[in-house]
Amino acid sequence: AQTVTQSQPEMSVQEAETVTLSCTYDTSESDYYLFWYKQPPSRQMILVIRQEAYKQQNATENRFSVNFQKAAKSFSLKISDSQLGDAAMYFCAYRTWETSGSRLTFGEGTQLTVNP
Amino acid sequence: EPEVTQTPSHQVTQMGQEVILRCVPISNHLYFYWYRQILGQKVEFLVSFYNNEISEKSEIFDDQFSVERPDGSNFTLKIRSTKLEDSAMYFCASNAGTGVIQYFGAGTRLSVL
Repeated sequence: AQTVTQSQPEMSVQEAETVTLSCTYDTSESDYYLFWYKQPPSRQMILVIRQEAYKQQNATENRFSVNFQKAAKSFSLKISDSQLGDAAMYFCAYRTWETSGSRLTFGEGTQLTVNP
Repeated sequence: EPEVTQTPSHQVTQMGQEVILRCVPISNHLYFYWYRQILGQKVEFLVSFYNNEISEKSEIFDDQFSVERPDGSNFTLKIRSTKLEDSAMYFCASNAGTGVIQYFGAGTRLSVL
């Protein structure tokens, strides 16, 4: 079974600065997907970014980018130019490649605080 | 933009009562899911549903849980006899047939007293 670990329960950053959230995972599969979801105080789960394991290029979405290290099974999220609206719980998630209806396996989450 | 809709946003029930949580997935999606998040803990998979049957379920999804797609739009989670430990946020999600991304609803907060 796959596991996802986020070792930073809490992180803080100053507005306009950059912060990196860590995620490691364990799997025996060679193909899979990785995601970062954001959960603001409203508790809605919002997709931030995704990465296909077969792609060597790191995914980017505006101010959000990932550092995907497949051999190390590491998938960190970098938030540049942090904004107050980025304050939220961030979850790393894993999904197998196999079928379209596969479950997401989540990490424990990292609570990000953005200080003005 | 299409979205997954969940009702109610907050449900309060007495221990031992039955509850039904409702979800309207995105209209052209084919795969549906329920997840649970106990306060302060990680999001946990409960069940996935495709072609009118359960495709996968977790060890949490025991006999007191059931899912149903009663018509072409709704997807429900029933808890037959609620326990205190069922208090949690329940999220519905869906994805398209060839899609990878699961889109989540805003959740239903279930409080069992």
